[in-house]
Amino acid sequence: SQKIEQNSEALNIQEGKTATLTCNYTNYSPAYLQWYRQDPGRGPVFLLLIRENEKEKRKERLKVTFDTTLKQSLFHITASQPADSATYLCALDDTGTASKLTFGTGTRLQVTL
Amino acid sequence: DGGITQSPKYLFRKEGQNVTLSCEQNLNHDAMYWYRQDPGQGLRLIYYSQIVNDFQKGDIAEGYSVSREKKESFPLTVTSAQKNPTAFYLCASSRGQGVETQYFGPGTRLLVL
Repeated sequence: SQKIEQNSEALNIQEGKTATLTCNYTNYSPAYLQWYRQDPGRGPVFLLLIRENEKEKRKERLKVTFDTTLKQSLFHITASQPADSATYLCALDDTGTASKLTFGTGTRLQVTL
Repeated sequence: DGGITQSPKYLFRKEGQNVTLSCEQNLNHDAMYWYRQDPGQGLRLIYYSQIVNDFQKGDIAEGYSVSREKKESFPLTVTSAQKNPTAFYLCASSRGQGVETQYFGPGTRLLVL
């Protein structure tokens, strides 16, 4: 069956360190993969999109990698700050459109001083 | 101010009652979506619509109904057939063309009395 797996345990890191979150998937052939941020009680907000033919994408302190052989995406936040504390969701769609995104369960990141 | 609005923020349902959640967007997007989020779980797709007067069932459509009479509006009705309606409901929209991201509303929390 199709599955998207994100670490359900919270990730606790110290301010200034790099946070790395993992998204693994099985039985999908995604054309692209997206990462969203969700704060408690609010809707997710789009962060980055990476296509199947791209290995890496960057935006300010954020970096996403996409390995279609390993069926894995890594999401990095460098120089993390307490304001980065949130739940991060990966989502993928293998139909080439946004018509049916499938979301992972998310990983909660806690950045402490 | 462009965006997606959902109302109400909190909604209480009595046993056997149908309730309707509102979702409006002024982004001129063609596609709209409804998700359900339960604690510790990812977003699960209930219904989606890619064009006015047309919609498709998602992964968990049973006990729910939708309409798409206007481009801007995609209301969700939680019927009495939905036996476990307590959840956080999120509406989203996208342009509906090509590879793109989804924009989410602030969500409605539904509670059963």
